[in-house]
Amino acid sequence: AQSVTQLDSQVPVFEEAPVELRCNYSSSVSVYLFWYVQYPNQGLQLLLKYLSGSTLVESINGFEAEFNKSQTSFHLRKPSVHISDTAEYFCAVTDFNAGGTSYGKLTFGQGTILTVHP
Amino acid sequence: EAGVAQSPRYKIIEKRQSVAFWCNPISGHATLYWYQQILGQGPKLLIQFQNNGVVDDSQLPKDRFSAERLKGVDSTLKIQPAKLEDSAVYLCASSLVKYNEQFFGPGTRLTVL
Repeated sequence: AQSVTQLDSQVPVFEEAPVELRCNYSSSVSVYLFWYVQYPNQGLQLLLKYLSGSTLVESINGFEAEFNKSQTSFHLRKPSVHISDTAEYFCAVTDFNAGGTSYGKLTFGQGTILTVHP
Repeated sequence: EAGVAQSPRYKIIEKRQSVAFWCNPISGHATLYWYQQILGQGPKLLIQFQNNGVVDDSQLPKDRFSAERLKGVDSTLKIQPAKLEDSAVYLCASSLVKYNEQFFGPGTRLTVL
């Protein structure tokens, strides 16, 4: 079984400041890792994912996350945030079989509300 | 490409009433999920379908919740009878099999009074 801990429930920052949203996971097997974003009154949208290869993954809107296997972390960062980044962010994991196919179930963290102030 | 569709978007019912939610996944996605998201928490998987077969329903309260996916496409989730603690957003998601990048619908916000 997996578990995901998002260390901050709320993160307030000013526009153009850097931000880091922290995510730690626990699993006895290898996992795929995801960050989802949920804007008000909308469903979850995939922001970025780590499946294999380079431990640093990037999104199209300037976010990046680094997979650290030794620390079982997958922190999300952005060097300069915009007002439009205000949303709730969820870290999630899923395990997979020997062929690399996910078993399907996503385990989510509790979410981090990012509020960007002008 | 059309996304995951859900209806209704909002529902308010009295406790002990029944309610049903509908989901239409992205065309060609074999796997469909229903999640429950209680305010202040991350989504929790209720049930996972692969085509029209159930893969995982270990966290579905089967005494009151039921779900089906006829013909491996649309799905309905039913609650009968509803309890106050069922107030939540019910999210439907679908994915292709391999890497499980799940695409979510807008959700149905259920309020049980």
